[in-house]
Amino acid sequence: GNSVTQMEGPVTLSEEAFLTINCTYTATGYPSLFWYVQYPGEGLQLLLKATKADDKGSNKGFEATYRKETTSFHLEKGSVQVSDSAVYFCALRATGTYKYIFGTGTRLKVLA
Amino acid sequence: DARVTQTPRDKVTEMGQEVTMRCQPILGHNTVFWYRQTMMQGLELLAYFRNRAPLDDSGMPKDRFSAEMPDATLATLKIQPSEPRDSAVYFCASADSRDRGREKYNEQFFGPGTRLTVL
Repeated sequence: GNSVTQMEGPVTLSEEAFLTINCTYTATGYPSLFWYVQYPGEGLQLLLKATKADDKGSNKGFEATYRKETTSFHLEKGSVQVSDSAVYFCALRATGTYKYIFGTGTRLKVLA
Repeated sequence: DARVTQTPRDKVTEMGQEVTMRCQPILGHNTVFWYRQTMMQGLELLAYFRNRAPLDDSGMPKDRFSAEMPDATLATLKIQPSEPRDSAVYFCASADSRDRGREKYNEQFFGPGTRLTVL
């Protein structure tokens, strides 16, 4: 079946450090891939997405590239800020379905 | 700025009581999802609708939970009777899943959630 695996948290970084949160997936066909972010007390909001292989999604300094050969969609940011502290969810929507599969979430804490 | 709205934002109730949560999807969105989030289980899909028809409710305990869409602007999730283990944050999300040429507009928009506490 379809699934998403993302790295366990929490991830604690100093401000301006480089961030990588790993995400790999299992799905048939060509799924759409997403990163969502959840700030404390709020719902999830879309951070970026990619709908086909080799697409790069980017937003607010975050990037992720859809790698079909490694079935991965790792989230990166070159210089994190305290305001980036949140929980990050990797997700996919498989071809032919309206259902989304979410990873377990990775909590990021950025220290000043 | 179009948003998904949910009511109530917080609900505290006693075991055995009925709880109804409401969601207003973004106007024009034809797919609505209900999720439950807890520390232990993370984010779980309970049910979802497309064009008001239920497509999948396999994530929902059938004996006490029910989900409906009385019309295109309202989705409800009901728990009867509620139990302490139902305590969680319940999110509604909506999406426009209509195909438009080669690009599918499939981003989900989440509401702020309903925090349910069952004593």
